Amino acid sequence: DQQVKQNSPSLSVQEGRISILNCDYTNSMFDYFLWYKKYPAEGPTFLISISSIKDKNEDGRFTVFLNKSAKHLSLHIVPSQPGDSAVYFCAARGLGGNEKLTFGTGTRLTIIP
Amino acid sequence: KAGVTQTPRYLIKTRGQQVTLSCSPISGHRSVSWYQQTPGQGLQFLFEYFSETQRNKGNFPGRFSGRQFSNSRSEMNVSTLELGDSALYLCASSSLGAPTEAFFGQGTRLTVV
Repeated sequence: DQQVKQNSPSLSVQEGRISILNCDYTNSMFDYFLWYKKYPAEGPTFLISISSIKDKNEDGRFTVFLNKSAKHLSLHIVPSQPGDSAVYFCAARGLGGNEKLTFGTGTRLTIIP
Repeated sequence: KAGVTQTPRYLIKTRGQQVTLSCSPISGHRSVSWYQQTPGQGLQFLFEYFSETQRNKGNFPGRFSGRQFSNSRSEMNVSTLELGDSALYLCASSSLGAPTEAFFGQGTRLTVV
């Protein structure tokens, strides 16, 4: 039962354009969402997060949008740079200080120079 | 501040053997979680420890176990290794409070032959 889904295994985007990575979830008890970036042979690194009380959070080139009614979130990267090529994981955390993260299966983003 | 440290980085074991992986969290972090990453499966939650107590457990067989010490360092053990246990094992630490993010180590690449 995949509670967090990233339906696009891969995405290719031209350098300088916008990259949009999508994530859907099924558990309405999730109240905090995170995006992680992962390079091969390294652990995931935290990118940006959003609480369920917000619908948008920005940090430099990265913006996360949350649509609670659709149980959907997206990560926008503008402008895309070659160093952004990596696997991106969406993750969700439940209520009550539960530290367990439920991850999606990841989207491999390739930025084409 | 030093990051999350996992040892060893790489490990090759034979089917039927057992293995112990180690994780030292960020100083001051009391929560340590373990994840298994395999191709196509994303990151699967194994378990989470807080103050030496297991708070959460994922859907893995009893061959997978862990513990946390008083200094928050954690170990996970896999007994009777199977070929399918070959994966990248990631440890993440986090502090309490909201919002929080989990900080990951570089992982231990386990290969079972």
